[in-house]
Amino acid sequence: EAQVTQNPRYLITVTGKKLTVTCSQNMNHEYMSWYRQDPGLGLRQIYYSMNVEVTDKGDVPEGYKVSRKEKRNFPLILESPSPNQTSLYFCASSFRGLALDEQFFGPGTRLTVL
Amino acid sequence: AQSVTQLDSHVSVSEGTPVLLRCNYSSSYSPSLFWYVQHPNKGLQLLLKYTSAATLVKGINGFEAEFKKSETSFHLTKPSAHMSDAAEYFCVVRERGFKTIFGAGTRLFVKA
Repeated sequence: EAQVTQNPRYLITVTGKKLTVTCSQNMNHEYMSWYRQDPGLGLRQIYYSMNVEVTDKGDVPEGYKVSRKEKRNFPLILESPSPNQTSLYFCASSFRGLALDEQFFGPGTRLTVL
Repeated sequence: AQSVTQLDSHVSVSEGTPVLLRCNYSSSYSPSLFWYVQHPNKGLQLLLKYTSAATLVKGINGFEAEFKKSETSFHLTKPSAHMSDAAEYFCVVRERGFKTIFGAGTRLFVKA
Protein backbone atom coordinates (compact mmCIF):
# COMPACT_ATOMS: atom_id res chain seq x y z
CA GLU A 1 0.00 0.00 0.00
CA ALA A 2 1.30 3.45 -0.96
CA GLN A 3 1.68 5.47 2.18
CA VAL A 4 3.57 7.93 4.34
CA THR A 5 4.40 6.63 7.79
CA GLN A 6 5.46 8.55 10.87
CA ASN A 7 6.86 7.37 14.17
CA PRO A 8 6.10 7.77 16.94
CA ARG A 9 2.43 8.69 16.71
CA TYR A 10 2.39 10.13 20.21
CA LEU A 11 5.29 11.46 22.24
CA ILE A 12 5.54 13.19 25.60
CA THR A 13 8.95 14.55 26.49
CA VAL A 14 10.63 17.17 28.64
CA THR A 15 12.27 20.44 27.74
CA GLY A 16 15.74 20.06 26.30
CA LYS A 17 15.70 16.32 25.61
CA LYS A 18 16.64 15.75 21.98
CA LEU A 19 14.15 13.81 19.90
CA THR A 20 13.64 12.62 16.35
CA VAL A 21 10.37 12.01 14.54
CA THR A 22 10.79 9.71 11.59
CA CYS A 23 8.98 9.95 8.27
CA SER A 24 9.12 7.42 5.49
CA GLN A 25 7.34 7.10 2.14
CA ASN A 26 7.21 4.13 -0.21
CA MET A 27 6.10 5.97 -3.37
CA ASN A 28 9.54 7.01 -4.65
CA HIS A 29 8.56 10.64 -4.23
CA GLU A 30 11.16 13.34 -4.70
CA TYR A 31 9.50 16.02 -2.56
CA MET A 32 8.95 15.70 1.18
CA SER A 33 7.87 18.22 3.76
CA TRP A 34 7.14 18.72 7.45
CA TYR A 35 4.25 20.75 8.87
CA ARG A 36 3.00 21.61 12.29
CA GLN A 37 -0.69 22.11 13.02
CA ASP A 38 -1.86 24.43 15.78
CA PRO A 39 -5.47 25.44 16.54
CA GLY A 40 -6.59 28.45 14.54
CA LEU A 41 -3.39 28.54 12.49
CA GLY A 42 -3.90 25.69 10.06
CA LEU A 43 -0.75 23.87 8.99
CA ARG A 44 2.53 25.71 8.73
CA GLN A 45 5.46 24.43 6.77
CA ILE A 46 8.64 23.77 8.77
CA TYR A 47 11.08 22.39 6.19
CA TYR A 48 10.85 20.79 2.79
CA SER A 49 13.15 18.76 0.59
CA MET A 50 13.18 18.70 -3.19
CA ASN A 51 15.37 15.59 -3.31
CA VAL A 52 18.20 13.76 -1.56
CA GLU A 53 20.56 16.21 0.14
CA VAL A 54 18.39 19.20 -0.92
CA THR A 55 16.47 20.85 1.91
CA ASP A 56 15.14 24.34 2.56
CA LYS A 57 13.32 26.28 5.22
CA GLY A 58 9.59 26.74 5.30
CA ASP A 59 7.81 29.42 7.27
CA VAL A 60 8.57 28.19 10.81
CA PRO A 61 11.99 26.45 10.82
CA GLU A 62 13.32 27.78 14.14
CA GLY A 63 14.16 25.02 16.60
CA TYR A 64 14.02 22.22 14.02
CA LYS A 65 16.50 20.36 11.86
CA VAL A 66 16.01 17.93 9.02
CA SER A 67 18.12 15.69 6.84
CA ARG A 68 17.49 13.83 3.58
CA LYS A 69 20.13 11.18 3.17
CA GLU A 70 17.84 8.72 1.45
CA LYS A 71 14.96 9.39 -0.88
CA ARG A 72 12.37 7.59 1.24
CA ASN A 73 13.21 9.09 4.66
CA PHE A 74 12.94 12.63 6.00
CA PRO A 75 13.40 12.76 9.78
CA LEU A 76 12.53 15.83 11.84
CA ILE A 77 14.95 16.57 14.66
CA LEU A 78 14.31 18.74 17.69
CA GLU A 79 17.72 19.28 19.29
CA SER A 80 16.39 21.03 22.40
CA PRO A 81 12.60 20.89 22.49
CA SER A 82 10.66 23.64 24.22
CA PRO A 83 7.00 23.80 25.31
CA ASN A 84 6.12 26.04 22.36
CA GLN A 85 6.92 23.10 20.09
CA THR A 86 4.01 21.17 21.53
CA SER A 87 1.94 20.55 18.41
CA LEU A 88 0.60 18.04 15.91
CA TYR A 89 3.18 17.30 13.24
CA PHE A 90 2.53 16.00 9.74
CA CYS A 91 4.94 14.70 7.16
CA ALA A 92 3.94 14.81 3.50
CA SER A 93 5.37 13.78 0.16
CA SER A 94 4.66 14.40 -3.51
CA PHE A 95 6.01 12.97 -6.73
CA ARG A 96 7.94 16.14 -7.53
CA GLY A 97 7.96 19.66 -6.16
CA LEU A 98 5.73 21.04 -8.88
CA ALA A 99 2.82 23.24 -7.85
CA LEU A 100 0.27 20.86 -9.36
CA ASP A 101 1.48 17.81 -7.49
CA GLU A 102 -0.80 16.45 -4.79
CA GLN A 103 0.82 15.95 -1.41
CA PHE A 104 0.17 12.74 0.51
CA PHE A 105 0.12 13.13 4.26
CA GLY A 106 1.18 10.85 7.06
CA PRO A 107 -1.12 10.13 10.03
CA GLY A 108 0.46 12.76 12.27
CA THR A 109 2.60 12.80 15.41
CA ARG A 110 1.24 14.47 18.50
CA LEU A 111 4.12 15.91 20.50
CA THR A 112 3.87 17.29 24.02
CA VAL A 113 6.88 19.05 25.53
CA LEU A 114 6.65 19.56 29.29
CA ALA B 1 4.13 36.42 -1.74
CA GLN B 2 1.46 33.81 -1.41
CA SER B 3 -1.25 33.81 1.23
CA VAL B 4 -4.55 32.11 1.87
CA THR B 5 -7.54 33.44 3.78
CA GLN B 6 -10.41 31.23 4.76
CA LEU B 7 -13.17 33.66 5.48
CA ASP B 8 -15.07 31.59 8.06
CA SER B 9 -13.54 29.71 10.97
CA HIS B 10 -16.81 27.83 11.55
CA VAL B 11 -19.76 27.03 9.29
CA SER B 12 -22.91 25.28 10.48
CA VAL B 13 -25.48 23.79 8.08
CA SER B 14 -28.39 21.41 8.32
CA GLU B 15 -28.19 18.02 6.69
CA GLY B 16 -29.43 18.20 3.11
CA THR B 17 -28.73 21.93 2.67
CA PRO B 18 -25.94 23.44 0.53
CA VAL B 19 -22.41 23.96 1.82
CA LEU B 20 -20.24 26.97 0.99
CA LEU B 21 -16.72 27.30 2.38
CA ARG B 22 -14.96 30.45 1.27
CA CYS B 23 -11.30 30.86 0.35
CA ASN B 24 -9.39 33.83 -1.01
CA TYR B 25 -5.77 33.66 -2.06
CA SER B 26 -2.98 35.93 -3.07
CA SER B 27 -0.20 34.85 -5.39
CA SER B 28 2.38 36.51 -7.58
CA TYR B 29 2.26 33.73 -10.12
CA SER B 30 -0.28 31.27 -11.44
CA PRO B 31 -0.83 29.08 -8.40
CA SER B 32 -2.19 25.64 -7.92
CA LEU B 33 -4.99 25.51 -5.39
CA PHE B 34 -6.20 22.60 -3.31
CA TRP B 35 -8.86 21.74 -0.78
CA TYR B 36 -8.06 19.15 1.86
CA VAL B 37 -10.36 17.66 4.49
CA GLN B 38 -9.39 16.49 7.96
CA HIS B 39 -11.85 14.37 9.90
CA PRO B 40 -11.48 14.33 13.69
CA ASN B 41 -8.25 12.65 14.78
CA LYS B 42 -7.43 11.74 11.21
CA GLY B 43 -4.86 12.79 8.63
CA LEU B 44 -5.50 15.00 5.63
CA GLN B 45 -7.25 13.84 2.48
CA LEU B 46 -7.29 15.65 -0.85
CA LEU B 47 -10.77 16.74 -1.94
CA LEU B 48 -9.87 18.46 -5.19
CA LYS B 49 -7.24 20.57 -6.94
CA TYR B 50 -7.09 23.36 -9.48
CA THR B 51 -4.12 23.40 -11.83
CA SER B 52 -5.33 25.76 -14.60
CA ALA B 53 -6.96 23.07 -16.75
CA ALA B 54 -10.56 24.05 -15.91
CA THR B 55 -11.97 26.71 -13.62
CA LEU B 56 -14.72 24.46 -12.23
CA VAL B 57 -13.16 21.53 -10.46
CA LYS B 58 -15.03 18.47 -9.27
CA GLY B 59 -13.74 16.48 -6.35
CA ILE B 60 -14.65 13.52 -4.24
CA ASN B 61 -17.86 13.08 -2.22
CA GLY B 62 -19.82 15.58 -4.34
CA PHE B 63 -17.65 18.60 -3.59
CA GLU B 64 -16.63 21.11 -6.23
CA ALA B 65 -14.82 24.43 -6.34
CA GLU B 66 -14.65 27.28 -8.81
CA PHE B 67 -11.48 29.22 -9.50
CA LYS B 68 -12.23 32.91 -10.08
CA LYS B 69 -9.08 34.77 -10.97
CA SER B 70 -10.74 38.21 -11.00
CA GLU B 71 -11.93 37.68 -7.43
CA THR B 72 -8.86 35.64 -6.35
CA SER B 73 -11.26 33.12 -4.86
CA PHE B 74 -11.54 29.35 -4.75
CA HIS B 75 -14.71 28.62 -2.82
CA LEU B 76 -15.73 25.04 -2.01
CA THR B 77 -19.34 23.97 -2.44
CA LYS B 78 -21.56 20.94 -2.11
CA PRO B 79 -25.25 20.89 -3.04
CA SER B 80 -26.42 18.79 -0.13
CA ALA B 81 -24.57 18.29 3.16
CA HIS B 82 -24.31 14.89 4.80
CA MET B 83 -23.53 14.17 8.42
CA SER B 84 -20.28 12.54 7.34
CA ASP B 85 -19.11 15.89 5.90
CA ALA B 86 -18.55 17.27 9.40
CA ALA B 87 -14.80 17.94 9.47
CA GLU B 88 -12.21 20.66 9.13
CA TYR B 89 -11.45 21.91 5.63
CA PHE B 90 -8.24 23.55 4.47
CA CYS B 91 -7.66 25.68 1.40
CA VAL B 92 -4.05 25.38 0.18
CA VAL B 93 -1.97 27.28 -2.35
CA ARG B 94 1.25 26.07 -3.95
CA GLU B 95 3.30 28.41 -6.04
CA ARG B 96 6.08 26.87 -8.07
CA GLY B 97 5.76 23.88 -5.76
CA PHE B 98 8.47 24.65 -3.30
CA LYS B 99 6.43 26.22 -0.55
CA THR B 100 2.95 25.32 0.54
CA ILE B 101 0.62 27.72 2.33
CA PHE B 102 -2.42 26.49 4.25
CA GLY B 103 -5.39 28.55 5.27
CA ALA B 104 -6.32 28.55 8.95
CA GLY B 105 -9.13 26.08 8.30
CA THR B 106 -12.92 26.07 8.39
CA ARG B 107 -14.70 23.69 10.71
CA LEU B 108 -17.94 22.44 9.20
CA PHE B 109 -20.76 21.38 11.51
CA VAL B 110 -23.72 19.45 10.09
CA LYS B 111 -26.94 19.40 12.09
CA ALA B 112 -29.43 16.57 11.79
